[in-house]
Amino acid sequence: EVQLVESGGGLVQPGESLRLSCAASGFTFSSYWMTWVRQAPGKGLEWVANIKQDGSEKYYVDSVKGRFTTSRDNAKKSLYLQMNSLRAEDTAVYYCAVVREDYWGQGTLVTVSS
Amino acid sequence: QAVVTQEPSLTVSPGGTVTLTCGSSTGAVTSGHYPYWFQQKPGQAPRTLIYDTSNKNSWTPARFSGSLLGGKAALTLSGAQPEDEAEYYCLLLCSGPWVFGGGTKLTVL
Repeated sequence: EVQLVESGGGLVQPGESLRLSCAASGFTFSSYWMTWVRQAPGKGLEWVANIKQDGSEKYYVDSVKGRFTTSRDNAKKSLYLQMNSLRAEDTAVYYCAVVREDYWGQGTLVTVSS
Repeated sequence: QAVVTQEPSLTVSPGGTVTLTCGSSTGAVTSGHYPYWFQQKPGQAPRTLIYDTSNKNSWTPARFSGSLLGGKAALTLSGAQPEDEAEYYCLLLCSGPWVFGGGTKLTVL
């Protein structure tokens, strides 16, 4: 059974950092591009980042460039999203996914508030 | 960055047919945008319905189909069921960034 399980979300103050993790199982993690998608409360989906199978290519939405970094550890079958200089507008549920294959995690909530 | 537009809301009768569309501010949507469609129900993660314009995942009901129509990507639901009531999002793989549309709230009534 395919599973993606995000963790690491929580309540932080503006300007602080948070690291999200996504643990994969049930499929060959190292064979797929991975994607982060977020959804602010009551709002639509927003693409955040993609990372290639070997981590050699990464792409980000403009609003997080320079603040967020995605990485992966294929040996641990894990995906990460390091989020620095967090802002109120980063408040959202963050999903990891293999979009084409319809592999989605349940999401982890990040709340940025003072 | 492109702005991707969808109808904010649509209503379809049970058993009826409805088409949702997905347009781009930069021009016609083509197969080169590899259009995706997602279904999301309240409190749930999205699910990928359609990828690369018209390809279905194993769970995608046969009543859903994807196409290009009049310069837009289109999702057609033929024979709507009550369980199809949901938010539907399109995604275009633009050169560089991926861009989601704002979503269409589909009511089956």
